[in-house]
Amino acid sequence: DIQMTQSPASLSASLGETISIECRASEDIYSNLAWYQQKSGKSPQLLIYAANRLQDGVPSRFSGSGSGTQYSLKISGMQPEDEGDYFCLQGSKFPLTFGSGTKLEIK
Amino acid sequence: EVQLVESGGGLVQPGRSLKLSCAASGFTFSNYYMAWVRQAPKKGLEWVATISTSGSRTYYPDSVKGRFTISRDNAKSSLYLQMNSLKSEDTATYYCARHSLTTVATDYWGQGVMVTVSS
Repeated sequence: DIQMTQSPASLSASLGETISIECRASEDIYSNLAWYQQKSGKSPQLLIYAANRLQDGVPSRFSGSGSGTQYSLKISGMQPEDEGDYFCLQGSKFPLTFGSGTKLEIK
Repeated sequence: EVQLVESGGGLVQPGRSLKLSCAASGFTFSNYYMAWVRQAPKKGLEWVATISTSGSRTYYPDSVKGRFTISRDNAKSSLYLQMNSLKSEDTATYYCARHSLTTVATDYWGQGVMVTVSS
């Protein structure tokens, strides 16, 4: 199975700050990587797919990058509504595997 | 508007069975692979199952293989998850999700249904 190592586990950011979250795969996943945001008590929402493609309706301050085994999600200018948990998902091979998550809070 | 509405959750004893349902609307259900994903309380996400458009192909992680069965009824735009031999570690919120047409990413999720396995 492909292991997804996500970091950091938690992050505190000021409004307007730019932050990054990383996911490292245990083998090449050929950009088959998605990022999700989950707000408290809600279901996850797709932000990024195919490593760097922005899902319709997602603000442009969110961006994804990476290739091979290393991927990152960047939020350019933290907003209050960006608080929540973030997860990566590899879709290169079954079983699909998620990263362990990053809790993002406002400082 | 895409909607996925899960039902069938509840409290069940270890070793017993439960069947979850997901009613889909707002899109052509038969065109999409579908999935179940779960989240234990205060924990991360775990993919549970995926089914192809026709239902002929199904995929599971080892943690549920042989105990859970995903199925679908395209005529009713419905997805199901039959869960047998339930264990306490199956306690979680179960989400029905739609796979994107172009990638494996799941682009829409239901609100989730809670399953508690306890004596």
